[in-house]
Amino acid sequence: AQSVAQPEDQVNVAEGNPLTVKCTYSVSGNPYLFWYVQYPNRGLQFLLKYITGDNLVKGSYGFEAEFNKSQTSFHLKKPSALVSDSALYFCAVRSNTGKLIFGQGTTLQVKP
Amino acid sequence: NAGVTQTPKFQVLKTGQSMTLQCAQDMNHEYMSWYRQDPGMGLRLIHYSVGAGITDQGEVPNGYNVSRSTTEDFPLRLLSAAPSQTSVYFCASSYSLAAGYEQYFGPGTRLTVT
Repeated sequence: AQSVAQPEDQVNVAEGNPLTVKCTYSVSGNPYLFWYVQYPNRGLQFLLKYITGDNLVKGSYGFEAEFNKSQTSFHLKKPSALVSDSALYFCAVRSNTGKLIFGQGTTLQVKP
Repeated sequence: NAGVTQTPKFQVLKTGQSMTLQCAQDMNHEYMSWYRQDPGMGLRLIHYSVGAGITDQGEVPNGYNVSRSTTEDFPLRLLSAAPSQTSVYFCASSYSLAAGYEQYFGPGTRLTVT
């Protein structure tokens, strides 16, 4: 079955520290992978995507993600967290039928 | 560009009532979709469309209808509202999800069914 897993409901980091939000996927073939962010009472905003090419993808607001085919992972990272990064983060994969499958979401809490 | 717009922002319905959630985009995107967001369940696809006149079911289509008469508009109809349809609804559009283009999301409609 095609799926996305975000194993952590919440990630807590101190401002200035590096952050990682984990995502693993299950889909046959070459995956198209996405990260979105949702601020309170707002719609989702696109952060970055992996389609092909370099395994390290850079996106908006200083975020990046590393595609690892052998571990079927696409973890979101940022070298230095900001309090304003606190939000709900969703990983998604495009299924073989062309639909987007979302993970359950991970709440990122950055403490000053 | 206004992007993806949704109306209303909030709605309260009684069980059995019907209503239409409106969604429009001005980016000439072919792909449009409706999701519902419930706590701890991420976003679940209700219906989607790959172009005017073409719609298909997603993961949770029961109790909802859609139509796509123009490229710009993709309304979602609740036929007979039930408390289980209390949720936040998001409309999204993309140039082409099949080709890996990202989706743009509307601000959402918070629906409560009593």
